[in-house]
Amino acid sequence: SQTIHQWPATLVQPVGSPLSLECTVEGTSNPNLYWYRQAAGRGLQLLFYSVGIGQISSEVPQNLSASRPQDRQFILSSKKLLLSDSGFYLCAWSSLHEQYFGPGTRLTVT
Amino acid sequence: QKEVEQNSGPLSVPEGAIASLNCTYSDRVSQSFFWYRQYSGKSPELIMSIYSNGDKEDGRFTAQLNKASQYVSLLIRDSQPSDSATYLCAVNMYYGGSQGNLIFGKGTKLSVKP
Repeated sequence: SQTIHQWPATLVQPVGSPLSLECTVEGTSNPNLYWYRQAAGRGLQLLFYSVGIGQISSEVPQNLSASRPQDRQFILSSKKLLLSDSGFYLCAWSSLHEQYFGPGTRLTVT
Repeated sequence: QKEVEQNSGPLSVPEGAIASLNCTYSDRVSQSFFWYRQYSGKSPELIMSIYSNGDKEDGRFTAQLNKASQYVSLLIRDSQPSDSATYLCAVNMYYGGSQGNLIFGKGTKLSVKP
């Protein structure tokens, strides 16, 4: 069966610091991978998606970036965090139509 | 602008009742529809998918799709306090024949009272 991991689970970072969130998927090959952000009281916002190694599409221009160095690894990064980057970051994978979410990383920027 | 609309709630139902959650979407060519359940502080969990008009039943859950009316709903029979959560509707909107991405509604908060 497929499993998706995210770490860290929680993170508190000061404004201006860098960020690296990691997501890995087990039990499937060549999945589509996604990064979402869910801010308090708001809906899920798609940030990036990837259909293969090195292939990244950005949905929302901002100070975040994503990379996919391996088939089942997806990384979300920032060079300098803003207060507005606080939120619940979710990685998801899909093979055909259905998407499955990881446990998420709760980021607080102070 | 492609949109998915849900009532934010809260929707409060007594234990044992039927909870009815509704969702409308703006894109007529959408072909895949999903319901996710999200407990407070947790990530969304896929509970139902539906691809064709009509009803699809899975245990206490029934998804209903009406593409002509651009409407999808989720019925929860014999509601339990453990069903208390936010329910997200998601629609896969296709662009020019290629698979698009999921568009999520903001969710309906359901509260089941014992």
